[in-house]
Amino acid sequence: DAGVTQSPTHLIKTRGQQVTLRCSPKSGHDTVSWYQQALGQGPQFIFQYYEEEERQRGNFPDRFSGHQFPNYSSELNVNALLLGDSALYLCASSPGVGTTEAFFGQGTRLTVV
Amino acid sequence: KQEVTQIPAALSVPEGENLVLNCSFTDSAIYNLQWFRQDPGKGLTSLLLIQSSQREQTSGRLNASLDKSSGRSTLYIAASQPGDSATYLCAPEQNFVFGPGTRLSVLP
Repeated sequence: DAGVTQSPTHLIKTRGQQVTLRCSPKSGHDTVSWYQQALGQGPQFIFQYYEEEERQRGNFPDRFSGHQFPNYSSELNVNALLLGDSALYLCASSPGVGTTEAFFGQGTRLTVV
Repeated sequence: KQEVTQIPAALSVPEGENLVLNCSFTDSAIYNLQWFRQDPGKGLTSLLLIQSSQREQTSGRLNASLDKSSGRSTLYIAASQPGDSATYLCAPEQNFVFGPGTRLSVLP
């Protein structure tokens, strides 16, 4: 079992550019959540996808968007990058929406210059 | 809105000590609470999941308790080892809201 995999592991972008991050959930998991973690802080919830739809969303602007594919993998897109978007982006998967355990990937470190 | 705090923010102890990490949350209407560890620059590793119907969960040297009525959870680490050095995070309810973490250093 490969667990949750994220790509790429590191990324450097310029202000104003757009970026796409990818996540493959753990085998058997159909729910994917995305988090942003700034240095020294706990992860902040961005949104959750289930059955290819955004089910819940945190307090993030519309520049942050996502998608879930039929195979349950997911993408996080960020438009018009700001310096403040520099962070570790984490993907978590779980077997359904509800009282289930979440498993995290190793994250994508995004640096905006 | 759920708010989560963790005490202490940082902890440095000699190897072999027993430790208690605390997590408090404001909204007690939760279904579960999960504890994670995070090594620097890495993702989160799930340690323990406590369902609301449970009061405790144990895994090896780790024991976590949950008191929904008081909005508290405690992670107990027995006989700490240098390999336990990491940041420990708690997250009530589907992991949407995380505490800021407790940064633990266990000195050999």
